[in-house]
Amino acid sequence: SQQGEEDPQALSIQEGENATMNCSYKTSINNLQWYRQNSGRGLVHLILIRSNEREKHSGRLRVTLDTSKKSSSLLITASRAADTASYFCATDGPSGSRLTFGEGTQLTVNP
Amino acid sequence: EAGVAQSPRYKIIEKRQSVAFWCNPISGHATLYWYQQILGQGPKLLIQFQNNGVVDDSQLPKDRFSAERLKGVDSTLKIQPAKLEDSAVYLCASTPDYHEQYFGPGTRLTVT
Repeated sequence: SQQGEEDPQALSIQEGENATMNCSYKTSINNLQWYRQNSGRGLVHLILIRSNEREKHSGRLRVTLDTSKKSSSLLITASRAADTASYFCATDGPSGSRLTFGEGTQLTVNP
Repeated sequence: EAGVAQSPRYKIIEKRQSVAFWCNPISGHATLYWYQQILGQGPKLLIQFQNNGVVDDSQLPKDRFSAERLKGVDSTLKIQPAKLEDSAVYLCASTPDYHEQYFGPGTRLTVT
């Protein structure tokens, strides 16, 4: 079964609004990553947060990690139509162990 | 820097036929992964190579799926014979350091 579970499954917002996606996982992790997938394309790495970090920023992205709740959130600020894509969280254990992806959140940003 | 290359991009076969996918990772990336992504789901790891050795193939259906990575560079994934439930996108990814993975565009397989 998948380690990560994203919530919501689908999210539709207007351009300029913020989008928040959540990810929950079951077992201890080493790192948590977020990826984006545009329709018909491969996945693109967005950001990695280590288990000893609580928050990380990259441009318009903000990721938080709460290891006590086994959850993470991805915030995209000032969304654009080009942000329309599926977003996946992925977790790994000890270095070299498999990366396990969640089911993804489909984000639609309406112009 | 060139990205991960995959071919073909699309393939349609009948059940019980065989099919092969090819992947060329980013130069210098020792670790290569094959994932299966069924429509509406996240990618599921099939096999992980470190150079030309298998690190993890625990989720590979070995009765019908096989993969190799000769010389630690290119890799092929084969399905023989294919079943209807194998319809999916097959993604190849590589990484230099077990962290950020770089994905190819995928091969969309349809089994009829």
